[in-house]
Amino acid sequence: GDSVTQMEGPVTLSEEAFLTINCTYTATGYPSLFWYVQYPGEGLQLLLKATKADDKGSNKGFEATYRKETTSFHLEKGSVQVSDSAVYFCALSEGGNNRLAFGKGNQVVVIP
Amino acid sequence: GAGVSQSPRYKVAKRGQDVALRCDPISGHVSLFWYQQALGQGPEFLTYFQNEAQLDKSGLPSDRFFAERPEGSVSTLKIQRTQQEDSAVYLCASSPRTSGITDTQYFGPGTRLTVL
Repeated sequence: GDSVTQMEGPVTLSEEAFLTINCTYTATGYPSLFWYVQYPGEGLQLLLKATKADDKGSNKGFEATYRKETTSFHLEKGSVQVSDSAVYFCALSEGGNNRLAFGKGNQVVVIP
Repeated sequence: GAGVSQSPRYKVAKRGQDVALRCDPISGHVSLFWYQQALGQGPEFLTYFQNEAQLDKSGLPSDRFFAERPEGSVSTLKIQRTQQEDSAVYLCASSPRTSGITDTQYFGPGTRLTVL
């Protein structure tokens, strides 16, 4: 079935550093792609999404571009803040019911 | 407005006990999803409802898992004869419309189930 792969391991970086989290997908059709974020003690929240190839999703300074040729949807932010510390999940919607398939998630820790 | 709520937030069960987990979706949302999130993993799909109809239960791991949404709003996920491998966070999500449209899914805070 359709699946999502995120880069291994937590990410630790300093405030104002550039953040990239890699995400690649495998799909038979043309899924929509999402980044969800889970802040400490909170539920999953949609961060951004893209529904077709070459679309760019953006929110709160984060961006990701739907790249069909490389089957990727990498998340980037130019200057992270301590408040961006969270777990980030890449996901795709599959099937007629739009159920989500998630990657394993990446813990991001931003130190002041 | 109110978001998706789930209860209880934490549940400890002895192996072999039955448990029931409740989800209150956002009012008026047609679609409702249940996911299971093991420690350190991403959520995995369990089942999907459109109103009261359970249209996809392909993710339910065994026949010990049962879900219902009898009036098309509140949903209950029931696990019979719990096993230690059932320990996980159970997430509920709702979205406004039906399949075929890429709606945002709104997630509840989850129920953390621990089976001893």
